Amino acid sequence: KAGVTQTPRYLIKTRGQQVTLSCSPISGHRSVSWYQQTPGQGLQFLFEYFSETQRNKGNFPGRFSGRQFSNSRSEMNVSTLELGDSALYLCASSLPGTSGGEETQYFGPGTRLLVL
Amino acid sequence: AQTVTQSQPEMSVQEAETVTLSCTYDTSESDYYLFWYKQPPSRQMILVIRQEAYKQQNATENRFSVNFQKAAKSFSLKISDSQLGDAAMYFCAYRNTGFQKLVFGTGTRLLVSP
Repeated sequence: KAGVTQTPRYLIKTRGQQVTLSCSPISGHRSVSWYQQTPGQGLQFLFEYFSETQRNKGNFPGRFSGRQFSNSRSEMNVSTLELGDSALYLCASSLPGTSGGEETQYFGPGTRLLVL
Repeated sequence: AQTVTQSQPEMSVQEAETVTLSCTYDTSESDYYLFWYKQPPSRQMILVIRQEAYKQQNATENRFSVNFQKAAKSFSLKISDSQLGDAAMYFCAYRNTGFQKLVFGTGTRLLVSP
């Protein structure tokens, strides 16, 4: 199976702009989770989508939002970008409710966002 | 809230030697999953090994094995016959059963020398 893919891989934006990142899960996986990785805060959970519904949300401001489509692809959006939003954004896919490892999260290569 | 602690910011090992990375966690749950992920310089997060809390037997994957001590809330990773390709950041992670949120430790950087 093809792995999790994320686009774009690199992005440079300026403060105040908005950005949309995309994640395509492993075929058959229905859950997509998003994480932010920064040197200062480490890896932090943003939110999880399953069957087009947000099931869990981390402690991030409302500027961070997401959605999931019927084919399980997910997008996350950050509005009114701040310098502190510069980070590696990782998405992970899984098939919850199963066993044998499918419920384990497998990560994409990430999108590196730089806010100037 | 669950927390994961990795007290070793950096570890060094020589090729072919064995190294153990430490991880402790805090939870009031009885059923959960624990993971070790590897993040090489490419930044791709790669699953190394996972452990279900209800299983007493320690998980193994080739050269990688864990020492899971549920009562002590400890989950260490042992890498045997270390290889240059093992050099990376290693993250310990916790997940409650039924939820997809992973809680990560701060990571341990593993250096491997010839």
